[in-house]
Amino acid sequence: GESVGLHLPTLSVQEGDNSIINCAYSNSASDYFIWYKQESGKGPQFIIDIRSNMDKRQGQRVTVLLNKTVKHLSLQIAATQPGDSAVYFCAEKAYGQNFVFGPGTRLSVLP
Amino acid sequence: ETGVTQTPRHLVMGMTNKKSLKCEQHLGHNAMYWYKQSAKKPLELMFVYSLEERVENNSVPSRFSPECPNSSHLFLHLHTLQPEDSALYLCASSPGTGRAPYEQYFGPGTRLTVT
Repeated sequence: GESVGLHLPTLSVQEGDNSIINCAYSNSASDYFIWYKQESGKGPQFIIDIRSNMDKRQGQRVTVLLNKTVKHLSLQIAATQPGDSAVYFCAEKAYGQNFVFGPGTRLSVLP
Repeated sequence: ETGVTQTPRHLVMGMTNKKSLKCEQHLGHNAMYWYKQSAKKPLELMFVYSLEERVENNSVPSRFSPECPNSSHLFLHLHTLQPEDSALYLCASSPGTGRAPYEQYFGPGTRLTVT
């Protein structure tokens, strides 16, 4: 289940550095957001979510920041590891509507 | 087996063939989804089933025909496809459609190539 987006934006980071992946969403009514990770040969995997009544949420080595004013979402990965190499994409959801997915960013971790 | 499984993982078919994709979820969820993932495009929602009833058809051509015989199984029947239908087809499930928790759990996908 790999992402086949040959022309995805790519972020290259050194192993051990922090990564920041950004996502602009479109619907001001969206009140729930998810970050997914998709590794080569696999389907998308849930990483972390956040509701619109929050502006920050932390997980294990990951933090999601939400700026509703500019409709911007970011995913921060601390101490990036080779296993973090994947395509990351955000998804937004408004009440009563289905998820809308972003195009994705390819994260490449350099040794 | 756990999670969401899909078979086959890879499929090559001619434009006149008929084939089916299968999805099975072992999570006790009530909602299942078909998505299409193409190059240069975000995930596109195709169909949504809730408690075996189709609740959404996202303007998908009739050459794609879904079937949900029970809440654990979902099929996508394919016939007379076009080369532009070549893509990764992902199945997902979630506890429900209209209430939290909303997160969807995806299968590994079927890589479809139409020749």
